[in-house]
Amino acid sequence: AQRVTQPEKLLSVFKGAPVELKCNYSYSGSPELFWYVQYSRQRLQLLLRHISRESIKGFTADLNKGETSFHLKKPFAQEEDSAMYYCALINYGQNFVFGPGTRLSVLP
Amino acid sequence: DGGITQSPKYLFRKEGQNVTLSCEQNLNHDAMYWYRQDPGQGLRLIYYSQIVNDFQKGDIAEGYSVSREKKESFPLTVTSAQKNPTAFYLCASTPRAGGLQPQHFGDGTRLSIL
Repeated sequence: AQRVTQPEKLLSVFKGAPVELKCNYSYSGSPELFWYVQYSRQRLQLLLRHISRESIKGFTADLNKGETSFHLKKPFAQEEDSAMYYCALINYGQNFVFGPGTRLSVLP
Repeated sequence: DGGITQSPKYLFRKEGQNVTLSCEQNLNHDAMYWYRQDPGQGLRLIYYSQIVNDFQKGDIAEGYSVSREKKESFPLTVTSAQKNPTAFYLCASTPRAGGLQPQHFGDGTRLSIL
């Protein structure tokens, strides 16, 4: 069965420190992976997707098929990065599968 | 200004009452989705609709019902059979079903029990 796990419910880092939000998935095919972010009082929005290979707001994510991981990284965290982050996957003909989410708190 | 509009923002339900959450989109998207968001559980799919006049159960459809009479609208009814309805409900859409496009989300409706 398709599954997305995010082992950390809450991750706290200090401003300027590197941050890595972990995401692992179980899926037999080659899904497309996404990171969604939900800032306080804002709607859930797409942060980045694997196929785009972009860096958004300083965040990057590398797909590691061997480890079935899609960790989200940023070298220097900012206070405005504090939010809820969801990892998600989808494949052709299937519905999205979301992870449980990680709340990132960037401390001043 | 295209997007997804959910209303109301906050909704209260009495015991034994059915309530309906509205979701409207002007993105001309074919597919629409309803999720329930609970702390620590992420988003769980309630119902989805790939096209007008068609909808399918998601992972947690019991106690909910939907309709898709118009492309723009996908209302969700939380029935009295749903014993734990207190949650944040999110509506989403994609241009078409079955592809790899990201989902667009509304602002959500928070449902509470009186």
